[in-house]
Amino acid sequence: ETGVTQSPTHLIKTRGQQVTLRCSSQSGHNTVSWYQQALGQGPQFIFQYYREEENGRGNFPPRFSGLQFPNYSSELNVNALELDDSALYLCASSPHLENTEAFFGQGTRLTVV
Amino acid sequence: QKEVEQDPGPLSVPEGAIVSLNCTYSNSAFQYFMWYRQYSRKGPELLMYTYSSGNKEDGRFTAQVDKSSKYISLFIRDSQPSDSATYLCAMFTASYGKLTFGQGTILTVHP
Repeated sequence: ETGVTQSPTHLIKTRGQQVTLRCSSQSGHNTVSWYQQALGQGPQFIFQYYREEENGRGNFPPRFSGLQFPNYSSELNVNALELDDSALYLCASSPHLENTEAFFGQGTRLTVV
Repeated sequence: QKEVEQDPGPLSVPEGAIVSLNCTYSNSAFQYFMWYRQYSRKGPELLMYTYSSGNKEDGRFTAQVDKSSKYISLFIRDSQPSDSATYLCAMFTASYGKLTFGQGTILTVHP
């Protein structure tokens, strides 16, 4: 167990809908990152939050947005869902900006139909 | 060209074999190199990380980094069926914490 929990574990949405995924970081971790993992691929960096501020973003459109709360839990929001958004969404928390100790949650499997 | 290249396999070996997993990369700014193990329907689990060139050993696992060749390896000795998983290499620069992953290599260790 990594102490990082994500909810829900599975989700089915219709194209065009909006979705919110949640992540509870490990205690004491102030950095959270989100990744998208398509089937058969490695995780792709979406963005990172450090102490409630976005601290880096990957090559994802603005319809992917996030929040980090004072208790360091986090949300990933995706608007106007597309079929290609179907993937495993992973949250990783770390005690500092350098991700040498990044611990991943079990992921949320999103299917867009 | 991807920043990190990893042969997706699949790789199938008998129990007890030595397994060699490899990645190459193009960004010379990478300083930290990690190996993750991912079981089916689970999140990645950190196995080891190394900083700069050299070897690092942890039990049956040895991580090797050759920065001059931009090449990293993970060796698994005395492989077990429980080692069957996808192995992901990842790396990042100290100035930017984004992890850049390889595609992952699917490993099966059969009894």
